[in-house]
Amino acid sequence: DAGVIQSPRHEVTEMGQEVTLRCKPISGHNSLFWYRQTMMRGLELLIYFNNNVPIDDSGMPEDRFSAKMPNASFSTLKIQPSEPRDSAVYFCASCPNYSNQPQHFGDGTRLSIL
Amino acid sequence: KQEVTQIPAALSVPEGENLVLNCSFTDSAIYNLQWFRQDPGKGLTSLLLIQSSQREQTSGRLNASLDKSSGRSTLYIAASQPGDSATYLCAVTSRGTNAGKSTFGDGTTLTVKP
Repeated sequence: DAGVIQSPRHEVTEMGQEVTLRCKPISGHNSLFWYRQTMMRGLELLIYFNNNVPIDDSGMPEDRFSAKMPNASFSTLKIQPSEPRDSAVYFCASCPNYSNQPQHFGDGTRLSIL
Repeated sequence: KQEVTQIPAALSVPEGENLVLNCSFTDSAIYNLQWFRQDPGKGLTSLLLIQSSQREQTSGRLNASLDKSSGRSTLYIAASQPGDSATYLCAVTSRGTNAGKSTFGDGTTLTVKP
């Protein structure tokens, strides 16, 4: 199995630009999670999906952030417009069933907003 | 709101020592508790998952315990090795109104000296 695949691995862009992060979960996994990790705030859950449906987006910091999961094999996290304080590592994780199965993490996208 | 605390924040031990990492959580309405390992610049790797009905799980030199009523978990590492050096994070998955929501601690950074 290829694991959770995230792209791009690194992104550097200027403030105000739109940023789109992509995630391909492990095939057969029904739950997908987006996290943000910073030194100041640690690892924070932004949003999670179950069977492609968003369950809880209370961790999304502002309306500038949006996430979609159009099908079971693809999800995007979009920031528009981006700001320097959005700089962080963004992780995607998936699991077969969040109640009794471990989460599998991707390698993350390191985002720098100048 | 679920809160997860890990103590200590950092730990340095000589090779061969046995050690214990601690994790506490405030809301006992959980499906499970997971321990993860994170190497610098990498994603998280699941080490152990303990269901809320279980008391402990073992994998090789690792043993994790769970006392749900007191909101505590420990990760015991036997005969530590330099390769165990990493950051260890615990996370709880909530049930009830926040079913599926994962909350992470800030981690314990472990250094094992040869």
